[in-house]
Amino acid sequence: GAGVSQSPSNKVTEKGKDVELRCDPISGHTALYWYRQSLGQGLEFLIYFQGNSAPDKSGLPSDRFSAERTGGSVSTLTIQRTQQEDSAVYLCASSSGRAEQYFGPGTRLTVT
Amino acid sequence: GQQVMQIPQYQHVQEGEDFTTYCNSSTTLSNIQWYKQRPGGHPVFLIQLVKSGEVKKQKRLTFQFGEAKKNSSLHITATQTTDVGTYFCAGPLSSYKLIFGSGTRLLVRP
Repeated sequence: GAGVSQSPSNKVTEKGKDVELRCDPISGHTALYWYRQSLGQGLEFLIYFQGNSAPDKSGLPSDRFSAERTGGSVSTLTIQRTQQEDSAVYLCASSSGRAEQYFGPGTRLTVT
Repeated sequence: GQQVMQIPQYQHVQEGEDFTTYCNSSTTLSNIQWYKQRPGGHPVFLIQLVKSGEVKKQKRLTFQFGEAKKNSSLHITATQTTDVGTYFCAGPLSSYKLIFGSGTRLLVRP
């Protein structure tokens, strides 16, 4: 079946602009995660959605970051007034609960 | 707060040599997961260990969970160029949130 998909695969934006990153999880997966990975670094947790529960936003680095998940499926991560330090690969993952996470290919964001 | 450390950060081996990466948690883990990320790719789940002292094998890969459930290791026997990538361990920070180790990057000389 189809895996986790993300779009766009690459995004170059000017400092100060807003960007939206999209994630389509695996069908039927109730849990959805966003991570950020800087070059050569580990995975930084950003936000978690589980069904209709309130999301865990504890990893969002600033109030410029927000995310929503509509209808328990597609999720959008929005970064407002982008800064150069926001440049990274943004990874989305989904799971069926406490099981392993399936990652999408990521969106490489470059802020110039 | 809870931390998951991995060593070494990098390992450069000759093809055919063995490789081991170690994962250590500051707290007891209910389980540990291992992921592999190929260069330019995304993390891919390899395995989950749950029981104290558990050992699991996948072909040339051997995974071990410590008796105290605070450490784990991944050993690759006779590395191949296809083993190149970064190996991450991950432990649950809560019932759903994983904390990932910093990863060990494996380079293999053909």
